[in-house]
Amino acid sequence: DAMVIQNPRYQVTQFGKPVTLSCSQTLNHNVMYWYQQKSSQAPKLLFHYYDKDFNNEADTPDNFQSRRPNTSFCFLDIRSPGLGDAAMYLCATSREMATIPLAGGQETQYFGPGTRLLVL
Amino acid sequence: AQSVAQPEDQVNVAEGNPLTVKCTYSVSGNPYLFWYVQYPNRGLQFLLKYITGDNLVKGSYGFEAEFNKSQTSFHLKKPSALVSDSALYFCAVRDSLNSGNTPLVFGKGTRLSVIA
Repeated sequence: DAMVIQNPRYQVTQFGKPVTLSCSQTLNHNVMYWYQQKSSQAPKLLFHYYDKDFNNEADTPDNFQSRRPNTSFCFLDIRSPGLGDAAMYLCATSREMATIPLAGGQETQYFGPGTRLLVL
Repeated sequence: AQSVAQPEDQVNVAEGNPLTVKCTYSVSGNPYLFWYVQYPNRGLQFLLKYITGDNLVKGSYGFEAEFNKSQTSFHLKKPSALVSDSALYFCAVRDSLNSGNTPLVFGKGTRLSVIA
C-alpha cells in the first residue's frame, strides 16, 4: 500500500560523481517536493513541482536539479556531490488543487521513507 | 511571513505519564497546522492537522493537539506515553493567506524519549 516510494533507501556515491534519487507516487497528487534533512534537523525544502511547474527555493545550490517526467515520478539529480551533501533526502506529495488555491493550503503532505545518501 | 517554533529540543517522560510537545507559530492570516513524527531512518509520518473548527484535534496513535489562537500555540499531547512513541516530532504551518501550493514551514523538531 506504499503511496510515496523512494528508491534506493540507501545510496553511496563518490565525491563529485553524479547521483540520481528517485521518487514515485500512487496518489496522483499534483505537487511533489524534495527535502534535504541532515541529522536531527528539520527538513529543508530544496524545490517542488506543481504539476509541471518547477519552483526552486532561493537558497538551493545549483548542484541540485530535479526532473518530473510525468505525474507519478520525480527525480533529484546531484551533479557533483560534496561531503556536505550527505543527508537524508525526503520526497513528499500533496494534492493541492489549482482551482482552489487558498484551500490547497489545507492539504496534507505525504512523505516517502527517504533515501540516505552517503558521499565518500 | 510564516514561522513555527518548537522551544524544546528534547522531552523526556516516563511510560504511562502524559506527554506534551510544544509548538508556537506566527502567520499573517489564519494558520493551517500540522504534526508529523519521524522514527529513525524513516520519512515523516502525518499525525494530525488543524484547519478550522474544534480546537482539539485527534490524530493517529492516540495523539491529539489543541489549537490556542490567543497563545498562538498548537501543542501535541497524549494522555499516556508509550516507549514506542519515542521519536522526533515536527510541527509545521502554512499561512491561509498564501497560495495553495506554498510548502509547509517546519519547526526544528523535538526529540521525545519515553522511559520504561
